[in-house]
Parts: sequence; structure tokens; C-alpha cells
Amino acid sequence: DSGVTQTPKHLITATGQRVTLRCSPRSGDLSVYWYQQSLDQGLQFLIQYYNGEERAKGNILERFSAQQFPDLHSELNLSSLELGDSALYFCASSVRGMLHTGELFFGEGSRLTVL
Amino acid sequence: QKEVEQDPGPLSVPEGAIVSLNCTYSNSAFQYFMWYRQYSRKGPELLMYTYSSGNKEDGRFTAQVDKSSKYISLFIRDSQPSDSATYLCAMSASRDDKIIFGKGTRLHILP
Repeated sequence: DSGVTQTPKHLITATGQRVTLRCSPRSGDLSVYWYQQSLDQGLQFLIQYYNGEERAKGNILERFSAQQFPDLHSELNLSSLELGDSALYFCASSVRGMLHTGELFFGEGSRLTVL
Repeated sequence: QKEVEQDPGPLSVPEGAIVSLNCTYSNSAFQYFMWYRQYSRKGPELLMYTYSSGNKEDGRFTAQVDKSSKYISLFIRDSQPSDSATYLCAMSASRDDKIIFGKGTRLHILP
């Protein structure tokens, strides 16, 4: 158990809908990362937050947004969903600080299926 | 050209064999190199972390980085069926930069 909690574990929805994925980092970890994993693209970096502030952005679509709240939990919002958004979405947190040590602690992921 | 390239496999080897997993990259700014292991239906977990060029050994695992060739490797000695998983290489230019992952190589160790 990494200590990172993601909900929901599974989600099935229709095209055009909006969903919210939630992540609770390990106790005391200030950095949260979101990744999207699909068979053809692998593990793609979406966005990173540190202590509530956006730190880095990857190839995150404009239909996607995220935020980190004062209690350090984070949410990833996916809207106007398309079939191609079906994937496993991972949240990870890193040790207490802005500088990573290479070790990201991943949750078990939220599997999104868009029909 | 993707920043990090990794052969997806699958790679099947008999138990006890030495396994070699590799990644190439294009961004010469990468200085921090990692190998993660991901079991089915789980999140990735860190195996090895190295800075700049050179070798690092941890038990049956050895990580090698050749920055001049932009090539990194992970060797697994005396491979076990429990090593069957997907192995992802990962890289970062600095400690406050994002971590970029390869697609992962699926490894099967045959008993």
C-alpha cells in the first residue's frame, strides 16, 4: 500500500459527459502528479501541483483541469469526454518537498471507460 | 521523435536468466534516471534511481546510464517468476522538473 488513495477505482460513462477523479496523497506529501496510462501512449504526464500551486504541465487537454485543495487532496476534472479518453488515470505524490527524489508513490489508479 | 523510447515487448525469458531492459532518450538535459516496476492492476513503484552517468547496483538489479549515447539499461540477475511485470524507465531534467516515463516493457519470467 503506497498510502495514496484514488477514487473511484472504476468509472463508466458516456461521450460528452464530465467526471471528477479524486486523489488523497500520502500524509504530509505536498506534491501531487497526475498521469494518464493507455496501451498505445504509455504513462503520460498531465500536471503537477505543489502545495496548492500548479508546478508543471504536460500534454493535458484543454477539456481537462485539475486543482489541489488546502488539505492537499487533488481532483482531476475531465469534461466533454471522448472515446479516446478511456484510460487508467494515476495520481502520485512525492516526499515532503518541492524537489523530487525520483520516487513517486502511485495510487492504484482510476479506470475510466467512455462508451 | 518521442522524448523516451522503450520497446514494449513482451519479453519472455526462463527463470534464472539475466534480463536486460533498455531505454533511449532524445533530451540531453535529462540527468535523473529511474526504473519503475508495475504489476498488473497496480500503480508503478520505484526500483532504481540514479543521477547522471554510471552504474548502480541493488541486490539482483543493476542500473546503467550512458549519457553520451542517451541510453539507459536495467539488468536483472537470477530472474524469478515474481519479477514478471511491466518495467518503465523514467527521466527528469532536474529535481523540480516533471518526470517523463517510457511506455514500459512487459516481462515474463517462465518457471
